[in-house]
Amino acid sequence: EDKVVQSPLSLVVHEGDTVTLNCSYEVTNFRSLLWYKQEKKAPTFLFMLTSSGIEKKSGRLSSILDKKELFSILNITATQTGDSAIYLCAVPGSARQLTFGSGTQLTVLP
Amino acid sequence: NAGVTQTPKFRILKIGQSMTLQCAQDMNHNYMYWYRQDPGMGLKLIYYSVGAGITDKGEVPNGYNVSRSTTEDFPLRLELAAPSQTSVYFCASSPTRDRVGTEAFFGQGTRLTVV
Repeated sequence: EDKVVQSPLSLVVHEGDTVTLNCSYEVTNFRSLLWYKQEKKAPTFLFMLTSSGIEKKSGRLSSILDKKELFSILNITATQTGDSAIYLCAVPGSARQLTFGSGTQLTVLP
Repeated sequence: NAGVTQTPKFRILKIGQSMTLQCAQDMNHNYMYWYRQDPGMGLKLIYYSVGAGITDKGEVPNGYNVSRSTTEDFPLRLELAAPSQTSVYFCASSPTRDRVGTEAFFGQGTRLTVV
């Protein structure tokens, strides 16, 4: 059974801070690791990582995967109040079904 | 540009009632899924389907049933609603693109309360 563990469970920072969110995983057959952002509604896709050590970037967000140590991190620099959300990490199974972690609730204060 | 459409958006059920959550996608995706999300938790897989006529159980299937008669539709049935089924339900779909896992496209969710 695939397993995903995220830490911390919640995080409160001020605007301008940099945050690092952690995701560790155990999977039978690794295919990829995905990061999602969830505000009030459905999760929205951020990144998919398939190869170790390659950094994916989108503006102030970046993510890297370590396949040897079985973890990924999501970095957000110069945080803004609009970054407040739940950040979910997930790994897909053979039918693309996703096993999610519990998420990290990020709150960015003005 | 509809994507994945779920209905209803909200519903209150009494214990023992039944209902069907509807899900439709217009992207011609073979793979479809139902997840539930309890407060403060990640999403848990209820059922999934790899194509019309094929369904399989996920992590938390008890109390639910699904069918997949067409590629587009994947309804979720609750037969005897219980308070433990109070949750937000998300339907999702994925394309059968390549051997590497790819992102799922989510519907906007159905918030169900059982009282």
